[in-house]
Amino acid sequence: DTEVTQTPKHLVMGMTNKKSLKCEQHMGHRAMYWYKQKAKKPPELMFVYSYEKLSINESVPSRFSPECPNSSLLNLHLHALQPEDSALYLCASSTRLTASNQPQHFGDGTRLSIL
Amino acid sequence: AQSVTQLDSHVSVSEGTPVLLRCNYSSSYSPSLFWYVQHPNKGLQLLLKYTSAATLVKGINGFEAEFKKSETSFHLTKPSAHMSDAAEYFCVVSEAGGGNKLTFGTGTQLKVEL
Repeated sequence: DTEVTQTPKHLVMGMTNKKSLKCEQHMGHRAMYWYKQKAKKPPELMFVYSYEKLSINESVPSRFSPECPNSSLLNLHLHALQPEDSALYLCASSTRLTASNQPQHFGDGTRLSIL
Repeated sequence: AQSVTQLDSHVSVSEGTPVLLRCNYSSSYSPSLFWYVQHPNKGLQLLLKYTSAATLVKGINGFEAEFKKSETSFHLTKPSAHMSDAAEYFCVVSEAGGGNKLTFGTGTQLKVEL
């Protein structure tokens, strides 16, 4: 069982839909991350939140909109996605952004398919 | 700047034989190194971490890795492979002062045969 919970596990949406991915952790971690992973590739960093504030945006298109409503929750709002956005979206958390010796803990991801 | 090279994209072993997954890294500062495993349709699970303490690191499920600064290597080993070890393995580096930004290797697919 993972300590980072992601919902839904699978999501199929059309290019005009609006949907949200959710991530929750109760480990008291203050850094949270969104990654995108294509098949047979390592994860690619999208966004980083530190103490509920956006710290890093890796030049992600605006059709992806992150939100961190509190220290335990992280959302990723999706709108007008493209077929190439189909991927596994992983959430992760770690104790603090400055603690580079502390591992990130990953959820099981949301498998997103864009029709 | 930091980088990670996983020397084998695919490794195939027989059940009960040793596993060796190779990883070389490059880092300007004192790195922290991790191995993660990813089973199909799952997230990444931490196997072990090196953070400048003991150079021989023991992890979960019988895996261990040795940090060799002179060779800039952090190879993952296991004495005896199980069928359940079949998965994708990622070597990852995090650099002090890098804001916990991870650099991933390209991954090694481990296949375990009967």
